[in-house]
Amino acid sequence: AQKVTQAQTEISVVEKEDVTLDCVYETRDTTYYLFWYKQPPSGELVFLIRRNSFDEQNEISGRYSWNFQKSTSSFNFTITASQVVDSAVYFCALRISKGRRALTFGSGTRLQVQP
Amino acid sequence: NAGVTQTPKFRVLKTGQSMTLLCAQDMNHEYMYWYRQDPGMGLRLIHYSVGEGTTAKGEVPDGYNVSRLKKQNFLLGLESAAPSQTSVYFCASSQLSRDRNEKLFFGSGTQLSVL
Repeated sequence: AQKVTQAQTEISVVEKEDVTLDCVYETRDTTYYLFWYKQPPSGELVFLIRRNSFDEQNEISGRYSWNFQKSTSSFNFTITASQVVDSAVYFCALRISKGRRALTFGSGTRLQVQP
Repeated sequence: NAGVTQTPKFRVLKTGQSMTLLCAQDMNHEYMYWYRQDPGMGLRLIHYSVGEGTTAKGEVPDGYNVSRLKKQNFLLGLESAAPSQTSVYFCASSQLSRDRNEKLFFGSGTQLSVL
């Protein structure tokens, strides 16, 4: 079975601070996919990134960056120079390559960015 | 530009009542899913469908039934609602892709309260 752990329940930062959201996953499969979704106060989940298990290259998209490390089974998400609009619940998720294509989600991290 | 549409957005039921949640997608996606979101537990898969006329159980299927009579629609039914089914329900869809690059598109959610 797959499992995703987001140990940080809630994080509060002041605008312009950098913040890292942690994600640790468990799976026996060698091929899998990792995701991050953002859930703003409006409620709808917004896709941020998908990473394949065979591609450990880190990715940067504007103020967002992701650090994928298979050795520690982690897929951490960093927001640089945080803004109030970044306030949301962020979910890390995992999908294996076999069987059903549904995602296994972590419990989420609520990020509050104070002005 | 509808994407995934869920109806209703809010509903209050009394214990024992029945209801159906409707999910419609206009992206011609093969896969559709129903998740429930509860505080501190992330999103958990209830049922899913890999194509028209097919359904399968997820992690927490008890108390729910689903149907996929048309490719674009995925219905979630509660035959006899219980307070434990108070939750936010999300529908999602994705397209089958050979390179497995698909991502889930989510609806805006249905807030259900069972008294």
